Amino acid sequence: KAGVTQTPRYLIKTRGQQVTLSCSPISGHRSVSWYQQTPGQGLQFLFEYFSETQRNKGNFPGRFSGRQFSNSRSEMNVSTLELGDSALYLCASRAASGGDYEQYFGPGTRLTVT
Amino acid sequence: QKEVEQNSGPLSVPEGAIASLNCTYSDRGSQSFFWYRQYSGKSPELIMFIYSNGDKEDGRFTAQLNKASQYVSLLIRDSQPSDSATYLCAVNSFSGGYNKLIFGAGTRLAVHP
Repeated sequence: KAGVTQTPRYLIKTRGQQVTLSCSPISGHRSVSWYQQTPGQGLQFLFEYFSETQRNKGNFPGRFSGRQFSNSRSEMNVSTLELGDSALYLCASRAASGGDYEQYFGPGTRLTVT
Repeated sequence: QKEVEQNSGPLSVPEGAIASLNCTYSDRGSQSFFWYRQYSGKSPELIMFIYSNGDKEDGRFTAQLNKASQYVSLLIRDSQPSDSATYLCAVNSFSGGYNKLIFGAGTRLAVHP
C-alpha cells in the first residue's frame, strides 16, 4: 500500500505571497492532519480533516487554512506569508475508524519564505 | 493545557547497550500512546504504539505504559548507530469533541560505536 504523499517537496516563496500544499493520504484513510515543524517550536498541530470537515484546529492565525476533498486528499493554504512561516509542513493520515488511532506521516514540504 | 514531556537529550549510549527513552503526559484520559522516530531532515516514522498497561515488544523495541503514573517509555535493545535519531512521544487526547495527537518535543538519541 502506498504511503502518504505530499507535493511539492520544496518551495521557496517571498513574504506576502500565498502558498498551497497538497497531501494524498494512504488509500482507505479518511482523516488528514497537518502539522508545522520548526527547530524552535517542535511539531505543532494545525488542523485535522475528516470526511471533508475540519474536526480540530490548533492555535494558528486565520492565514492558515485547509480543505479536504471527497477522495480524502487535502490541501493546506497559507496566505500573506511571513518569514516565520518557514518550516517543514507535514501531513499525516489515519484510518479514523473504530479504535484505530495510528497516524502515518508523509515526507513533508519544506517551505522557505524569503 | 494538555502536555507531553520528554527529556530533550542528547541521550548518548554505546553500541550494543539498551537505550531508555521516557515520556510523561498530563491528560489522565489518554488511551493511546505512540513512539515516532525522526531522522534529521526526514519526517516522523511510527515505530511503536501501545494502548494497554504493561509492555509491548516488537523486535528490538519495547514500549512500556503505566497509566497510573502517566508514564510511557521506549526501550531499544542492542542499540545500533542507525538508531541515532530524535524519538517523539505522542499521546492521543480527547479535545473539542475529537481525538488529537499531542507530541512531545522529542529526545535526541546518539549511539556511538
